[in-house]
Amino acid sequence: QKEVEQNSGPLSVPEGAIASLNCTYSDRGSQSFFWYRQYSGKSPELIMFIYSNGDKEDGSFTAQLNKASQYVSLLIRDSQPSDSATYLCAVIPNSGYALNFGKGTSLLVTP
Amino acid sequence: KAGVTQTPRYLIKTRGQQVTLSCSPISGHRSVSWYQQTPGQGLQFLFEYFSETQRNKGNFPGRFSGRQFSNSRSEMNVSTLELGDSALYLCASSLAGVTEAFFGQGTRLTVV
Repeated sequence: QKEVEQNSGPLSVPEGAIASLNCTYSDRGSQSFFWYRQYSGKSPELIMFIYSNGDKEDGSFTAQLNKASQYVSLLIRDSQPSDSATYLCAVIPNSGYALNFGKGTSLLVTP
Repeated sequence: KAGVTQTPRYLIKTRGQQVTLSCSPISGHRSVSWYQQTPGQGLQFLFEYFSETQRNKGNFPGRFSGRQFSNSRSEMNVSTLELGDSALYLCASSLAGVTEAFFGQGTRLTVV
């Protein structure tokens, strides 16, 4: 089983700060990387995807991918209490069509 | 554009019974995958279908099965339900299985 690892948290940041969420993966051949946000009792919502090394920005979110280090991160700028949720990192391995999820990081943004 | 629709939203079943869950993907999406989410195990992959063919299967017992129809709608079936099958079952659709996937609202299954 190819692994996707995330720190479970909770990660607590003050309102307006940058939240940094990290994820490592074991399948070096993985090509597709995703970040989902999941509020309690709700289904996962896709917020970012990245396929190439480097940074990708979308609104207040920045995804960073480093394939050599097998590392993908998500930055949330100007964090708001409404960003408090569990953030799930997902990877599609080289040989498959399924999303392999980490256990998620719980983020708490305090007013 | 309509999202992914899962029915029913909630189910209560008795041990030993079987259950069928349904998933209608986003229009134009041909890949449907199924996941089980529990507090202890997180999101675990069940299987993925593309154009009515199962391409991937996770590490679940044979009691868990699925199928996909020609209109890309998918069903999953769990036979001989066990208490441990209580979970949120999620389906996700994507264009081809290696691109962005979007989840339905899930079916909350409780086995008593």
